[in-house]
Amino acid sequence: DIQMTQSPSSLSASVGDRVTITCRASQGIRNELGWYQQKPGKAPKLLIYAASSLQSGVPSRFSGSGSGTEFTLTISSLQPEDFATYYCLQHHSYPFTFGPGTKVDIK
Amino acid sequence: QVQVVESGGGLVKPGGSLRLSCTASGFKFSDYYMNWIRQAPGKGLEWLSYISGSSRYTHYAESVKGRFTISRDNSKFSVFLQMNNLTAGDTAVYYCARGNSLDSWGQGTLVTVSS
Repeated sequence: DIQMTQSPSSLSASVGDRVTITCRASQGIRNELGWYQQKPGKAPKLLIYAASSLQSGVPSRFSGSGSGTEFTLTISSLQPEDFATYYCLQHHSYPFTFGPGTKVDIK
Repeated sequence: QVQVVESGGGLVKPGGSLRLSCTASGFKFSDYYMNWIRQAPGKGLEWLSYISGSSRYTHYAESVKGRFTISRDNSKFSVFLQMNNLTAGDTAVYYCARGNSLDSWGQGTLVTVSS
């Protein structure tokens, strides 16, 4: 199985900050990675697919990059509604696997 | 618009069974494979299973292989998860999601396994 790791596991940031979250795969997954945002009590929401493509309706302050084993999610200017937990998911091979999540909270 | 809605959760005793349903709308259901994912209280997301559009292919996480069975009925725009021999470790919110990118999720249905 492909193991996914995320760093950091949590971070505190202020509105307007640039935030970067990293996801690493235990083996190459090409660009078959998605990023999801989850708020408490809500279902996850797809932000980025194919590692760097912005899902329809998602603000352009979110961006993704990477290929192979290392990927990043960047929020260019953190907004109040962005405080949430972020997960990466590899869908290169079964079983699909999620990263453990990165919780972004208010400094 | 694309929508998926899960149902069928509830309280079940250890060793019991439960069948979850997920009904989709707003897209050509038979063209998409569908997934089940769960989230235990306070924990991260765990992918459980997928089924292809024609039902020809299925895959399972090791944690549920042999106990859970995924199926679908394209005429009813629905996908199911039959869960047998449940344990406390299966207590979670269960979500269904569309496609290989899991681009649309339902609101989830809570399964509680407790005596």
